[in-house]
Amino acid sequence: DSGVTQTPKHLITATGQRVTLRCSPRSGDLSVYWYQQSLDQGLQFLIQYYNGEERAKGNILERFSAQQFPDLHSELNLSSLELGDSALYFCASSVRDGSYEQYFGPGTRLTVT
Amino acid sequence: GQQLNQSPQSMFIQEGEDVSMNCTSSSIFNTWLWYKQEPGEGPVLLIALYKAGELTSNGRLTAQFGITRKDSFLNISASIPSDVGIYFCAGPFKHTDKLIFGTGTRLQVFP
Repeated sequence: DSGVTQTPKHLITATGQRVTLRCSPRSGDLSVYWYQQSLDQGLQFLIQYYNGEERAKGNILERFSAQQFPDLHSELNLSSLELGDSALYFCASSVRDGSYEQYFGPGTRLTVT
Repeated sequence: GQQLNQSPQSMFIQEGEDVSMNCTSSSIFNTWLWYKQEPGEGPVLLIALYKAGELTSNGRLTAQFGITRKDSFLNISASIPSDVGIYFCAGPFKHTDKLIFGTGTRLQVFP
């Protein structure tokens, strides 16, 4: 158990809908990262937050957004969902900005039908 | 952009055998990480390497940071069935916290 929690574990929704994925980092970790894992693209970095502020962005679609709250939990919002958004979404956390050792949660499996 | 290529893509070995896999990049990395992912789970950090030439062990696992800084190696000795999974190498993109992940090596261990 990495100490990173993610909810829900599974999510099934229809195209065009909007969903919110939630992540709680390990106790004491200030950085939160979101990754997408699909069969054809592998593990891809989406976005990083550090202590409530956006720190780095990957190839995150404009339909996707994230935020980190004062209690350090984070939410990833996915809107206008398409079939191709079906994937595993992982949250990871690390102690601080610049710590490369990231600890991953169990993931949320999103299925868009 | 930076890409990490892992080989072999998959391995089918017998319990008790030693395993070697590697990760190569066209660019220099200053940190190498090795993760293991089991079905339905998130990646688990196995080993972190911070210095060229560094050799680090974690139980039966040993990883090395290549001296060119463009590659890394992971060895598993005396494999057991619970070693089954996908092993990923990863490194930070330039000087950010954004991790680039390799293509993965799928390990299957037969009793």
